[in-house]
Amino acid sequence: DTAVSQTPKYLVTQMGNDKSIKCEQNLGHDTMYWYKQDSKKFLKIMFSYNNKELIINETVPNRFSPKSPDKAHLNLHINSLELGDSAVYFCASSHSQGRIAKNIQYFGAGTRLSVL
Amino acid sequence: AQSVTQPDIHITVSEGASLELRCNYSYGATPYLFWYVQSPGQGLQLLLKYFSGDTLVQGIKGFEAEFKRSQSSFNLRKPSVHWSDAAEYFCAVAHGGSNYKLTFGKGTLLTVNP
Repeated sequence: DTAVSQTPKYLVTQMGNDKSIKCEQNLGHDTMYWYKQDSKKFLKIMFSYNNKELIINETVPNRFSPKSPDKAHLNLHINSLELGDSAVYFCASSHSQGRIAKNIQYFGAGTRLSVL
Repeated sequence: AQSVTQPDIHITVSEGASLELRCNYSYGATPYLFWYVQSPGQGLQLLLKYFSGDTLVQGIKGFEAEFKRSQSSFNLRKPSVHWSDAAEYFCAVAHGGSNYKLTFGKGTLLTVNP
C-alpha cells in the first residue's frame, strides 16, 4: 500500500545511455517533485509539477526531462547519461491547496542510479 | 534565498542517552520548518513540522523540536535514543506561496552505540 512508489529501485547503466525512472503516488495529491541526492547526501530539488504543469525547474541540464501523463505520475527521463548523474533520485508529492497541506511532501524510497 | 545549516555532520551517542541535533535557517519571513529522517537505503520520512503557534512541536518516534525565532533555530531533540534511531536526519525549510520547494540542510548522520 505504498503511497509514493518509484521504479526501479536500482539502475546501473553505461555512460551515453538513455534511461527513465517512474514515479506514482496514490495519495490524491496534485503536485509532484523530483529531488537529487548526491554522494554527500545533499538533497536538491530538480523539478516540480502541479496538475501536469511544470512549476519549478531548477538549474538542471536539458538532458533531464520530466513527464507527467497525469496528476498521479511524474516520470524522469535522462538522455546521454554521464558519470556525474550517479546519485539517488527521490520522487515526492503534496497537495497544492491549503497553507499547511501544500507544504508537506511525502517521499518515495528513492532510485539509486549508477552510471559506469 | 532561504538556506538551512546543520552544523554537525556526524554525531555519536550511546543508547539511552539524550540527543539534540542542531538546525539553523536563513529566511526572510516566518519559515515553515521540517525534520525528515532517512534510514539506510530508505526514503525520507517526515518526523515533525512547524508552521505557527506553539514553538515546541511533537513528532513521531518520541522526537520533538523547538522553534526559536531569535536564534533562527529549529533543533531536534529526543530524551532517550534507541538503536533504531541510527539514521541520517535532515532539516528543511519550505517557501510558501506558489513555490513549493523544500530547501534541505546537508544532513546529520546519527550513530548509536550499544
